[in-house]
This record gives sequence, structure tokens and C-alpha cells, in this order.
Amino acid sequence: EADIYQTPRYLVIGTGKKITLECSQTMGHDKMYWYQQDPGMELHLIHYSYGVNSTEKGDLSSESTVSRIRTEHFPLTLESARPSHTSQYLCASSENTEAFFGQGTRLTVV
Amino acid sequence: AQKVTQAQTEISVVEKEDVTLDCVYETRDTTYYLFWYKQPPSGELVFLIRRNSFDEQNEISGRYSWNFQKSTSSFNFTITASQVVDSAVYFCALRSSGSARQLTFGSGTQLTVLP
Repeated sequence: EADIYQTPRYLVIGTGKKITLECSQTMGHDKMYWYQQDPGMELHLIHYSYGVNSTEKGDLSSESTVSRIRTEHFPLTLESARPSHTSQYLCASSENTEAFFGQGTRLTVV
Repeated sequence: AQKVTQAQTEISVVEKEDVTLDCVYETRDTTYYLFWYKQPPSGELVFLIRRNSFDEQNEISGRYSWNFQKSTSSFNFTITASQVVDSAVYFCALRSSGSARQLTFGSGTQLTVLP
């Protein structure tokens, strides 16, 4: 059973607002990831981290930023939300092989 | 570069039928891992199975079975006696050994099991 948690599960927010999507894992995994996924579509890697103080951008360009101050915590921030940011955001962590995913945050920007 | 292809966008079957989901991958690495994930309507991705590139033994787990063929770069997934609860999007994924970054997903196959 994977122990990775995302909050909030659903978020509807107005354009221009700053938001932070939370992701925490209790497995002690060094590697963590953020994926963006439109409903029923493929996953796109937007950020990843090898460990504390390590963050890298993924394949899909994103206006979001991430931080990794603690091993267990990998929050994603949008400074100014726009309707184009409407999507599902999935956080994952892994040791060396399979990745375990949180339940996702469905973000709607109106 | 890595690539995962799931040619079947959508599949519909009637309950109790068997169904096979296809996955073809490309990688230049000799050591890699293959995965299947299930994404039910609730949205989370559930890890189903991992296979190493050096382990071509196929596996059966309950109603699920996997067929890994290195010669054809395929990693297919079969559900026997499908049930309505199997309805989900199924993703095949590939990771090269030694790379934290390179977890590449296919585009997914939407499986609908009709009662």
C-alpha cells in the first residue's frame, strides 16, 4: 500500500489567484514527480526531484514551480492561475523502479 | 529516446469476456523496467505490475496475466473473465535503469466492460 497524499482533491479557483498543491509521502523515497494530465489523456511530466534541494523541469513546459525542502514534501505552486492551467495534477514518488501515485488534484481555474 | 505506444485507444467488451491490452515500447537501453498502471474514474493511478528487461517470465495473478516479449518489444496485459469493475484507463510505462527521470507513459487504453 502506497502512502502518498495530495491535497486538495478538488480545487476551483479564480483567475490570477496563487495556489499551492500539496504532496506528501511517508515512504522515505528520494525521487518525487509531478505529472499533468487532461481527462483520459496521457501523463506529462512537469517537475521532478532526486532529493532534498533538487528540482528539475520535466518534458512539458509549465508555469508552475516546485520546492523540495524536506524529503517527504514536494509542493507545487502556481503564482497566478489561468484557465489554461485547468487539469489534473498527479504527484508520485519512487525508490528505483515503480512510481506510486497520489489520488491527484483536479484543478479548475475560472 | 524512449517511447511507449498503446495503439488501442478504446476497447469495449461484455462482462466475462477476455481482453488483451497491447503495449509496444522503444528504448536503446539494455536494462529497463516495464509497468502497467490502472486509472479508474476516480483518477488515481494504481500500480499493477513491474517487469525487468532481463526477466521474460510471464506471470499470472488471479484474472490478470502479462506477456513480455523482448523480441517484439511488447508487454501485453490480459484480463480474463472481465468484470464491470475492470473498467478504467490502463497505462503502460517504461523506465530505463539508472535514470530517475525517464518514466515514460503510453497514451492509455480506455477499457469499458459492459454488464
